[in-house]
Amino acid sequence: DAMVIQNPRYQVTQFGKPVTLSCSQTLNHNVMYWYQQKSSQAPKLLFHYYDKDFNNEADTPDNFQSRRPNTSFCFLDIRSPGLGDAAMYLCATSSRGGLTNYGYTFGSGTRLTVV
Amino acid sequence: AQSVTQLGSHVSVSEGALVLLRCNYSSSVPPYLFWYVQYPNQGLQLLLKYTTGATLVKGINGFEAEFKKSETSFHLTKPSAHMSDAAEYFCAVSETGSGGSNYKLTFGKGTLLTVNP
Repeated sequence: DAMVIQNPRYQVTQFGKPVTLSCSQTLNHNVMYWYQQKSSQAPKLLFHYYDKDFNNEADTPDNFQSRRPNTSFCFLDIRSPGLGDAAMYLCATSSRGGLTNYGYTFGSGTRLTVV
Repeated sequence: AQSVTQLGSHVSVSEGALVLLRCNYSSSVPPYLFWYVQYPNQGLQLLLKYTTGATLVKGINGFEAEFKKSETSFHLTKPSAHMSDAAEYFCAVSETGSGGSNYKLTFGKGTLLTVNP
């Protein structure tokens, strides 16, 4: 039943070691988002793909990159994780909405720990 | 630019009591408004949304919210709290981007709801 799937649910990585988080969707939604949520804080948008068009938020660090090889998959790459990058990373999707905006569908998230 | 303010980072109620979580928004265009719930170590689940039309919106699990344009508010209520309602609740606003497509969702800081037996 899961429509937005994030793998893995928990990821432990070493300080400075590149790590990739993955997200897949079965909804055929054209927009995919990556949010970072630190403990007891609101989710913060890092970037999103509108079809193949990549849109980076102005304050997203260069350390964070993303790839979307096809409609179904989207990856978050952290090139050199620091201790401050420990967070829950949420993937979300939405369709081309207009007047039929149904909001986002979120995955269950990946909790990243940096040691 | 859009923004969301949730009044009260922590709300505690007794089981069976009224739940009221407050949300005020700022938006330069007519907004789309959402409430999401998040259980520990889980993603966000949509409770309800307002896009157009009726200003009183009913959602899942007995929750409802009323869009009040004059007050720029979208408060979430539930007549009778249940233990299973204990979670974090996020109010969010979305402004349509170019082409009328669903775009950036901006969240409030969240309200942690505790339900006491």
